Amino acid sequence: ELKVEQNPLFLSMQEGKNYTIYCNYSTTSDRLYWYRQDPGKSLESLFVLLSNGAVKQEGRLMASLDTKARLSTLHITAAVHDLSATYFCAVDRGLTGGGNKLTFGTGTQLKVEL
Amino acid sequence: DGGITQSPKYLFRKEGQNVTLSCEQNLNHDAMYWYRQDPGQGLRLIYYSQIVNDFQKGDIAEGYSVSREKKESFPLTVTSAQKNPTAFYLCASSPSRGDYGYTFGSGTRLTVV
Repeated sequence: ELKVEQNPLFLSMQEGKNYTIYCNYSTTSDRLYWYRQDPGKSLESLFVLLSNGAVKQEGRLMASLDTKARLSTLHITAAVHDLSATYFCAVDRGLTGGGNKLTFGTGTQLKVEL
Repeated sequence: DGGITQSPKYLFRKEGQNVTLSCEQNLNHDAMYWYRQDPGQGLRLIYYSQIVNDFQKGDIAEGYSVSREKKESFPLTVTSAQKNPTAFYLCASSPSRGDYGYTFGSGTRLTVV
């Protein structure tokens, strides 16, 4: 059974600081996704990582994937208040016949203090 | 604009009642999914469908049923057998080819009264 663990679960940080969220998973997969969720809202896609060593960056967020270590990181640079949200990683279990079967981590609730 | 529409946004269910959550997409995606989210937790897969007239159980299918009579539609019924249905329900879709992950609907918040 695929298990996906994120840490930390809660993160309170000051504006301007850097921090990293970690996503560990238990079985082999080379496809990993990061999503953002604002309170009471749906999930918004942030990054799609499709191979070992993949790195994607968008603004103050950078995601990477190490499939050998079964680890993905989401790095936040010079945090701003607007980044406050819950961040989920999701690992693709694969589906024969098409589509993606994602297992989600428990989420990291990020609060950036003004 | 293409997207996924879930309705209603809020739904209240009485004990012993079946309710149906609607999910419609116009993205021409083959695969559709239903997830449940409980407060402070991640998403858990209820059912998924890769093609019309076919669907598979996910990790927590007990007490739920689905149908896929049209490519665009994947309704979820929460039956009276689901003892703890209060949760946020999210519908998603994805293409059958490619690795784009999911496009999510806006969600339905179901509460038992």
